[in-house]
Amino acid sequence: EVQLVESGGGLVQPGGSLRLSCAASGFRFTDYYMDWVRQAPGKGLEWVGRIRDKANSYITDFAASVKGRFTISRDDSSKSLYLQMNNLKTDDTAVYYCCSLADGFWGHGTMVTVSS
Amino acid sequence: DIQMTQSPSSLSASVGDRVTITCQASQDISNLLHWYQQKPGKAPKLLIYDASNLEAGVPSRFSGSGSGTDFSFTISSLQPEDFATYYCLQLNIFPFTFGPGTTVDI
Repeated sequence: EVQLVESGGGLVQPGGSLRLSCAASGFRFTDYYMDWVRQAPGKGLEWVGRIRDKANSYITDFAASVKGRFTISRDDSSKSLYLQMNNLKTDDTAVYYCCSLADGFWGHGTMVTVSS
Repeated sequence: DIQMTQSPSSLSASVGDRVTITCQASQDISNLLHWYQQKPGKAPKLLIYDASNLEAGVPSRFSGSGSGTDFSFTISSLQPEDFATYYCLQLNIFPFTFGPGTTVDI
């Protein structure tokens, strides 16, 4: 059974940093491109970014709204995905989902609240 | 960026109704379009991939069609568990973009 379990969400002040983690199981993690998607309260879905696999040099792409502030990394040995979020803004408040968009695998999400 | 427009933004329907949602891309995205269902407080669930392919385990009352810029998603006979919000998603060009969603309620 495919499982993606996010952790690391919480309350952070504007300008602060937070690192989200995602633990994967039930599929060959090393072969998959992985994405982060977020959803602000009461709003629609927004793609945040993607990391490719080792064969594609772990290249990342990001939405303009987070480019330069967020980074994505992965540890294939531990089947983990990470989202490092720096210089957080109130607009970054959302549920953050770890997923593989091309394959339809999603975690349950973790809430990030940016507020003073 | 590719803009995705969905219509309608919401609709009211009854069990047994046929429901169709359309999604239009601002430029050609080939068939790289997925349809997702989301219920309150839950993660989205993939229903249709590559415009017209039914995801494994998804009931056959769901279907999708289209290519290029114009796509449609149909529920042939609405069931109680289908009341939810539906999103289209283009994965052809970065940044990936979701439609604004269509809420299907009673």
